[in-house]
Amino acid sequence: EAGVAQSPRYKIIEKRQSVAFWCNPISGHATLYWYQQILGQGPKLLIQFQNNGVVDDSQLPKDRFSAERLKGVDSTLKIQPAKLEDSAVYLCASSRTGNDYGYTFGSGTRLTVV
Amino acid sequence: AQSVTQLDSQVPVFEEAPVELRCNYSSSVSVYLFWYVQYPNQGLQLLLKYLSGSTLVKGINGFEAEFNKSQTSFHLRKPSVHISDTAEYFCAVSDQGGSEKLVFGKGTKLTVNP
Repeated sequence: EAGVAQSPRYKIIEKRQSVAFWCNPISGHATLYWYQQILGQGPKLLIQFQNNGVVDDSQLPKDRFSAERLKGVDSTLKIQPAKLEDSAVYLCASSRTGNDYGYTFGSGTRLTVV
Repeated sequence: AQSVTQLDSQVPVFEEAPVELRCNYSSSVSVYLFWYVQYPNQGLQLLLKYLSGSTLVKGINGFEAEFNKSQTSFHLRKPSVHISDTAEYFCAVSDQGGSEKLVFGKGTKLTVNP
């Protein structure tokens, strides 16, 4: 099966600019996650979708970050305006439901804010 | 809330030597446990997971881990490492019966030297 697709792979922007990341999960995977991985740290969950509904967005900085999942398939994560501390790798993952933790991660988008 | 502590940020070893990467967790409820590997510029790949049953879990690439509930540990071991095992390793935890959100440790960089 095809993996989780993410684009772009790399992005460099200036602070206060906007940026968007795209994720296409594995076909049939109902659950989609966005994780933020800052250099030297483990990934941290930003938002979790079940189909097109939000399950958990408790750690999403909602004043600048937004995310949506269109028709329960693709998802976009947006940052507006970006801050220097947003420099990180943004990982998308998807899984089937059923508590089997069958996560598949994408390769991530590396964001550098200068 | 759960937390994960990976006791070593870096572990250098020689090829064909045994290795143990240590992981301790904290949670007020029963948990599931995971080890992921991340190669440079790639996403996370599941090595193994403990959901139930035998506390000794075998994973891919010759890795295994043992769940010790009394010591709240889930250490990763391999009896003989290869150069290709050089990567970042992440321990993660998730509440049983929860949303399948993963909480990660900060990672351990394993470097295998010839």
